[in-house]
Amino acid sequence: GENVEQHPSTLSVQEGDSAVIKCTYSDSASNYFPWYKQELGKGPQLIIDIRSNVGEKKDQRIAVTLNKTAKHFSLHITETQPEDSAVYFCAASRLGRLYFGRGTQLTVWP
Amino acid sequence: GAGVSQSPRYKVAKRGQDVALRCDPISGHVSLFWYQQALGQGPEFLTYFQNEAQLDKSGLPSDRFFAERPEGSVSTLKIQRTQQEDSAVYLCASSLNQGVQPQHFGDGTRLSIL
Repeated sequence: GENVEQHPSTLSVQEGDSAVIKCTYSDSASNYFPWYKQELGKGPQLIIDIRSNVGEKKDQRIAVTLNKTAKHFSLHITETQPEDSAVYFCAASRLGRLYFGRGTQLTVWP
Repeated sequence: GAGVSQSPRYKVAKRGQDVALRCDPISGHVSLFWYQQALGQGPEFLTYFQNEAQLDKSGLPSDRFFAERPEGSVSTLKIQRTQQEDSAVYLCASSLNQGVQPQHFGDGTRLSIL
């Protein structure tokens, strides 16, 4: 089955700085890679996703890159704000089922 | 409704009791997924429905876990003879269609087994 590794497990940045979270996956047949933000007591909220036929996707302050050859993908958040503080999960999917990383606790200090 | 709705939000049960967790997916969504999230971990897949058909139940940890979606809308996850290791947040997600589609999650049911 698929194995998703996510780093770092915790990340602290100053407001306005950039944050980068990296994930690797093992199954070359995985073809869909979503990122979720989870706040305390809430369910995961989809923030951006990328499909295997695309190398990069951007949505305002958030961008995701995918390197299929190396089997890794990354989340980039620019101009971070305190409200970006949460746990972020990457996931890889084949045939609909999602395999999640273990999460990154992002803290943005004002 | 506007999003995936799960009930109850919190459930406390004694070891050995049966519990039932409910999921109302986004209206019109064909696919429905159940995940289990242990404290400090990412969600782990339990089972998947397309309409009323349960297409994948390979993630269910034991035969004490049972899920159904009889009319292709609301789904129920049932756990029989609960054990302490069943304590977790149970998340439900739905997506519009089969295949590569975004999954939208509810806020989960936090299950505590005493």
